[in-house]
Amino acid sequence: EVVMTQSPDTLSVSPGERATLSCRASQSIRSNLAWYQQKPGQAPRLLIYGATVRAAGIPTRFSGSGSGTEFTLTISSLQSADFAVYYCHQYNNWPPRAFGQGTKVEIK
Amino acid sequence: EVQLVQSGAEVKKPGDSLKISCEVSGYSFTIYWIAWVRQMPGKGLELMGVINPGDSNTIYSPSFQGQVTMSVDKSIDTAHLQWSSLKASDTAMYYCGRLWPTSIDTYYIDYWGQGTLVTVSS
Repeated sequence: EVVMTQSPDTLSVSPGERATLSCRASQSIRSNLAWYQQKPGQAPRLLIYGATVRAAGIPTRFSGSGSGTEFTLTISSLQSADFAVYYCHQYNNWPPRAFGQGTKVEIK
Repeated sequence: EVQLVQSGAEVKKPGDSLKISCEVSGYSFTIYWIAWVRQMPGKGLELMGVINPGDSNTIYSPSFQGQVTMSVDKSIDTAHLQWSSLKASDTAMYYCGRLWPTSIDTYYIDYWGQGTLVTVSS
């Protein structure tokens, strides 16, 4: 069973700064990784799939990189709307059970 | 426009039964697998299982096998998640999601329902 580990658990960032979130898989998942954003009281929203592909309507300040076991979500210049919890999710295995535990991006 | 609309919040007592729903629109219901995801208060996302609306084939995650039942009603483009005897530990937000295929055996959730909050308390 693949285990996804995100770091850090909490990231304190000032508006306008860059945020870098990490996600590690316990075994190779190729590029079968998605990132989701969840704001309080809302459902998760798809940001990135295929490790690097932005979903429709997602601003270009969000970018994903990595393959195999190491992945990164970068938010180039944080806006107020970006403070949220971010989850990675592997879908290399069926069914796609493994989510990371989440990284909370908070205002510094 | 793809939409997954879930039924409203529920407050139940331990031992009660419950069935919540996820009505889809904007696409052909029977083509795409549906996932159910649990989020306990203040916690992360857990995949409960998946169901194929076309043939009702279901796969439960080990922790949820025997605890819940997933089903569909193709006549109304709706997926259901049900409990026969709720426990306080079932208190959580439950989401449905559409699984988009990228290949024969890789699928990610592209659209999510708004969630159904289930509270179980005596």
